[in-house]
Amino acid sequence: QVQLVQSGAEVKKPGASVKVSCKASGYTFTDYYVHWVRQAPGQGLEWMGWINPDSGDTDYVQKFQGRVTMTRDTSLTTAYMELSSLRSDDTAVYYCARDLLRGGDFDQWGQGTLVTVSS
Amino acid sequence: DIQMTQSPSSLSASVGDRVTITCRASQSISNFLNWYHQKPGKAPNLLIYVASSLQSGVPSRFSGSGSGTDFTLTISSLQPEDFGTYYCQQSYISPRTFGQGTKVEIK
Repeated sequence: QVQLVQSGAEVKKPGASVKVSCKASGYTFTDYYVHWVRQAPGQGLEWMGWINPDSGDTDYVQKFQGRVTMTRDTSLTTAYMELSSLRSDDTAVYYCARDLLRGGDFDQWGQGTLVTVSS
Repeated sequence: DIQMTQSPSSLSASVGDRVTITCRASQSISNFLNWYHQKPGKAPNLLIYVASSLQSGVPSRFSGSGSGTDFTLTISSLQPEDFGTYYCQQSYISPRTFGQGTKVEIK
């Protein structure tokens, strides 16, 4: 079955970087985009951007430009999201999600990775 | 950026009630509107895509309608497992903005 399995929780100090992985299985990894969405504690969903696993092309929301990098390793069928210069307000659960390219919806989600930024 | 506004922000309803949640876009998004359901501590789950298409495996009590700027998610007969927060999301243009969420409680 289709699965997106993310890496475990992280605790980082302000100014550090974090890299979250998203391992895809059960489908052809390069056929569909992977998006990243985050959710701060008690807050709503915030879209961060996407990566085309086939070409490596990316699109990031303006807010994260310069701080976020989305990459992939097709041999490992894994997508990565790295966020740098972490601040306390980056504390959130980070999700990866699959886009079937039929209308832009996200039909499968990872379980989420909690990133805590604290001194 | 396109702003997505949901109403109400929260509601409380009884099992068996018909529940309606609305989502308004700040500009036309055609039918590129998706609905998700999220339970506490869990990832969101896709319910409806492109405004009115029911995602595979989702119960038929969920339905969506609308186009342009105004959209509706309807639960025809609320069930106990439907508690949680519902989000709309536009996929017309980047950034793919979400509504602020509608929290549904079971009376």
